[in-house]
Amino acid sequence: DTGVSQNPRHKITKRGQNVTFRCDPISEHNRLYWYRQTLGQGPEFLTYFQNEAQLEKSRLLSDRFSAERPKGSFSTLEIQRTEQGDSAMYLCASSLDRLLQFFGPGTRLTVL
Amino acid sequence: DAKTTQPNSMESNEEEPVHLPCNHSTISGTDYIHWYRQLPSQGPEYVIHGLTSNVNNRMASLAIAEDRKSSTLILHRATLRDAAVYYCIRGEETSGSRLTFGEGTQLTVNP
Repeated sequence: DTGVSQNPRHKITKRGQNVTFRCDPISEHNRLYWYRQTLGQGPEFLTYFQNEAQLEKSRLLSDRFSAERPKGSFSTLEIQRTEQGDSAMYLCASSLDRLLQFFGPGTRLTVL
Repeated sequence: DAKTTQPNSMESNEEEPVHLPCNHSTISGTDYIHWYRQLPSQGPEYVIHGLTSNVNNRMASLAIAEDRKSSTLILHRATLRDAAVYYCIRGEETSGSRLTFGEGTQLTVNP
């Protein structure tokens, strides 16, 4: 399967713990995006990378959130000191241009 | 602010055409119109996009009004697999590369 992959698919954690998610984009795609989706809502943009440079960050991305794409390939999204409000589906997408984004299956985070 | 308006839900019967409307009355001349859909428990999936002219691909057709203030996604023969949330998105030049999703239209396909 040459699509976008995300790991883990599910994560249950206790409030206050740190969690890290990984996204592997389609191999030739230089653009990578993170979105967050809560139940009944559409995805909300979090951040965007072009190669290893983080070019856009949403106001939703508080200082507890950090994303990296160190070699311009895979990316990680870390949430420190998780809160119950962080419970959501975290989606990664990749693309060659701004018109067509390919999404992964998401990581569902539950904070107890 | 998604800046598009869609009905919350629609129903169709299997093998019949479906027309999903979207209003984007404040669209600017350089904004593309994108459609994505999201099947249950999956990430969104690209369907189609267009700027001014009507567009066709293997999944659907996109009819864009002459004034570009509205568009319609057309599924020519709905199947049960087309049951999903359909999102109409304005691709704003000023928003960089982000996609701004609204709440979309939940399409139910009846057998």
